[in-house]
Amino acid sequence: QITLKESGPTLVTPTQTLTLTCTFSGFSLSTSGVAVGWIRQPPGKALEWLTLIYGNDDKRYSPSLEDRLTITKDTSKNQVVLTMTNMDPLDTATYYCAHRERSAFDYWGQGTLVTVSS
Amino acid sequence: QTVVTQEPSLTVSPGGTVTLTCASSTGAVTSGHWPNWFQQKPGQAPRALIYTTSNKHSWTPARFSGSLLGGKAALTLSGVQPEDEAEYYCLLHYGGIWVFGGGTKLTVL
Repeated sequence: QITLKESGPTLVTPTQTLTLTCTFSGFSLSTSGVAVGWIRQPPGKALEWLTLIYGNDDKRYSPSLEDRLTITKDTSKNQVVLTMTNMDPLDTATYYCAHRERSAFDYWGQGTLVTVSS
Repeated sequence: QTVVTQEPSLTVSPGGTVTLTCASSTGAVTSGHWPNWFQQKPGQAPRALIYTTSNKHSWTPARFSGSLLGGKAALTLSGVQPEDEAEYYCLLHYGGIWVFGGGTKLTVL
């Protein structure tokens, strides 16, 4: 049974760096073709794909946010970490992590709402 | 910047059939874009429905199907149920990165 759960701060001040952790179970990032991705959704708006990391440490980023994002993994802890620098109120959103395999984003976490405000 | 476009809203009667589409600003959508479809209800995380154009997950109801139609990815719901009222998102792959569509709000009325 695959599960993922996001954790991190619910409130961030403008210009701060956001760090979110995705803790997962039921699969191994070491398995070929398996990846974990991050997606966000501002309140009342559409989903936005952010980044993806594979077990071989191959990483992909959304071109529009690439300079602000970093994704890393700790395979031994079954965790993937998203870092986003220079947070702005427009980055207020629910952030989701998701399991990707066979070109499918099949299992998602419940999401965590991050508010950017002074 | 690549843009993926979906109908903002559609309305269907219970028991009816509706097709949602997903277009790419780069040209025709092909199987190489690995189209994924998701359903999202208010206050919930997205739920995966379809991957690589037409493949269903084990939990996807039989009334949902995916295809390519007229240069777009398509999601067809046949025999629509009231519980199908939701937002639907497509997701396309572009050489390692992914882009979501803006979503279609489906109303069952």
